[in-house]
Amino acid sequence: EIVLTQSPTTMTASPGEKVTITCRASSSVSYMHWYQQKPGASPKPWIYETSKLASGVPDRFSGSGSGTSYSLTINNMEAEDAATYYCQQWNYPSWTFGGGTKLELK
Amino acid sequence: QVTLKESGPGILQPSQTLSLTCTFSGFSLSTYGMGVGWIRQPSGKGLEWLANIWWDDDKYYNPSLKNRLTISKDTSNNQAFLKITNVDTADTATYYCARMGEYFDYWGQGVMVTVSS
Repeated sequence: EIVLTQSPTTMTASPGEKVTITCRASSSVSYMHWYQQKPGASPKPWIYETSKLASGVPDRFSGSGSGTSYSLTINNMEAEDAATYYCQQWNYPSWTFGGGTKLELK
Repeated sequence: QVTLKESGPGILQPSQTLSLTCTFSGFSLSTYGMGVGWIRQPSGKGLEWLANIWWDDDKYYNPSLKNRLTISKDTSNNQAFLKITNVDTADTATYYCARMGEYFDYWGQGVMVTVSS
């Protein structure tokens, strides 16, 4: 089973700041997917197939990576971006999630 | 419009069997490539994938829980089901179902399940 490790676990960012969240896989994966979750709500697909933005996601978000290292980047942090972000991969026959990165507004 | 909604018992006792239902609309589990997955989240913690079922009745389980999980579907009624046997307090969580392919693109609102004596 592939284990996903996210870093940092928690972080704060000021409005306008650039934010990068990293997800490392214990073995190579083809794609990484990302979800955003706010308190009391279900996770929302945010970035899929490593770099494609889900419907409605602002273009200040981007995703990149390959092999065992992937990242989600926010250019110009906004208040509404404060949330927990999870990475997720599929590698037959298992789906796994990272532990999450809680992003707070400074 | 794709929607999913989970339902469950709310509370149950240790050693009992947890039965969850996912009722969905806007897609069919008889359509090629469609799948439904179950994911859970203990309060304040991260997401854990549990199981998937596909249009062709193929099934996949989280290896760490495989012996306790059974996933099934009722295509004609647009429902998917998950059973977890011999529950423990560690199974207390919000349980989500989600439509899926390689990733989970539509999620239900979740149902809270508490295991307590």
